[in-house]
Amino acid sequence: RKEVEQDPGPFNVPEGATVAFNCTYSNSASQSFFWYRQDCRKEPKLLMSVYSSGNEDGRFTAQLNRASQYISLLIRDSKLSDSATYLCVVHQGSGNTPLVFGKGTRLSVIA
Amino acid sequence: EAGVAQSPRYKIIEKRQSVAFWCNPISGHATLYWYQQILGQGPKLLIQFQNNGVVDDSQLPKDRFSAERLKGVDSTLKIQPAKLEDSAVYLCASSLDRGREQFFGPGTRLTVL
Repeated sequence: RKEVEQDPGPFNVPEGATVAFNCTYSNSASQSFFWYRQDCRKEPKLLMSVYSSGNEDGRFTAQLNRASQYISLLIRDSKLSDSATYLCVVHQGSGNTPLVFGKGTRLSVIA
Repeated sequence: EAGVAQSPRYKIIEKRQSVAFWCNPISGHATLYWYQQILGQGPKLLIQFQNNGVVDDSQLPKDRFSAERLKGVDSTLKIQPAKLEDSAVYLCASSLDRGREQFFGPGTRLTVL
């Protein structure tokens, strides 16, 4: 099983739709979780951290399910500008252990 | 606040040639990372520095790749000699400390012919 797995997509959704991505991780000792966004030919940028209690930032909601070892990202009222690749990132421990990136899920929001 | 700077932005070389990339992290960031991102993949960590010390280089192909961060600020990543499969975007990132949010530079797109 890969360390961090994501459905590569693409997810093609109309404007205004709600879309959700899941990401599974293999290491139960993982401590921190993030969603990064990467536009075509650009660098990844932090979208949001994922907290145990779940967190919301405008149209974006992130959830963590430790029992099933997955995190999710929900985007409501999709905009054309949401089109990007969404990278799931897991910090497998503390201190020196590196962040592990998933391969990303590609989203295309269509007018 | 200035972001992570990288140069060059693009580089085309022939196989067996050498190439070097430069990174200037955000001021005050102790941790610096070099990633390799192949098209269609997520970034893969090559090496992580904490100040001027190497924390993790387990995925760095040490027969051809080297990196240094001598004064705990700027860093260089070198490939010698390059292979075709080294064609990728090389991303530098920095964070205040280990495990914290990482800020990425624009990357260097390397093409090996």
